[in-house]
Amino acid sequence: GAVVSQHPSWVICKSGTSVKIECRSLDFQATTMFWYRQFPKQSLMLMATSNEGSKATYEQGVEKDKFLINHASLTLSTLTVTSAHPEDSSFYICSASVGSSYNSPLHFGNGTRLTVT
Amino acid sequence: GENVEQHPSTLSVQEGDSAVIKCTYSDSASNYFPWYKQELGKRPQLIIDIRSNVGEKKDQRIAVTLNKTAKHFSLHITETQPEDSAVYFCAAITSNQFYFGTGTSLTVIP
Repeated sequence: GAVVSQHPSWVICKSGTSVKIECRSLDFQATTMFWYRQFPKQSLMLMATSNEGSKATYEQGVEKDKFLINHASLTLSTLTVTSAHPEDSSFYICSASVGSSYNSPLHFGNGTRLTVT
Repeated sequence: GENVEQHPSTLSVQEGDSAVIKCTYSDSASNYFPWYKQELGKRPQLIIDIRSNVGEKKDQRIAVTLNKTAKHFSLHITETQPEDSAVYFCAAITSNQFYFGTGTSLTVIP
C-alpha cells in the first residue's frame, strides 16, 4: 500500500534554532501533501497544504514565515520550523494521498515529536 | 467552509460491547467520509471509509453508516476488544480538502 515516511520521528532543539522535517511518499507520487499539528489528546490541526512546484497554502493563523514549506518534488515535502520556541513543541504529522485527494484516503507519516527547550 | 462535529469525545465500553461514534458535517458537497484510528503517539490509520453514493459499509467488526439528508455518519464497532482502544477521527472531504472531527478517545475495558 501507499507509504508515507516522515523524518525525524523525534527531535529536541534549543530555542532559537530551526528544525527541518521531511515527508516522503515512498511508492507513489504526491502532488499535494498536508502538514498537521497535533496537541496531546486533540485532533489534527491542518497547518498548510503543500503543492509540488508552487507555494504552500497556509491555514488562517499559521505563520508562513515561521513554518516554511517546500515541495520540490512529487515525493518530498519539507516543513522547517524557524526560530523555534517552546510553544512550538508539538507533534507534527504530514499526509499525502494517491491521486486526487478529493476521493482518495490520506496516508499519514509517523509524525515528528518536536521538543524545544 | 466545512464544519465537522464528532461525539462523544470520550467513550468507555466493556469488552465485547459495541461502540458508536457519530459525526455531523455541514457542507452538502462533501462526498467522501473516512475514519481514522490513532494509537497513542502514532500516525492515524484509515480503518474504513464511505462515499456518498453508499448508505452503509461493513468490514468485519467495523461498519460505517451515512445519512446524507441529515448530514451525519457514524462508526460502529461490534464485539470490542482491548486493542480497539485508541482515538478515532472522522473526516469529511469537500473542495479537495479534508476536515477532521475533534476525535473520540475510546477505551475498551477488559
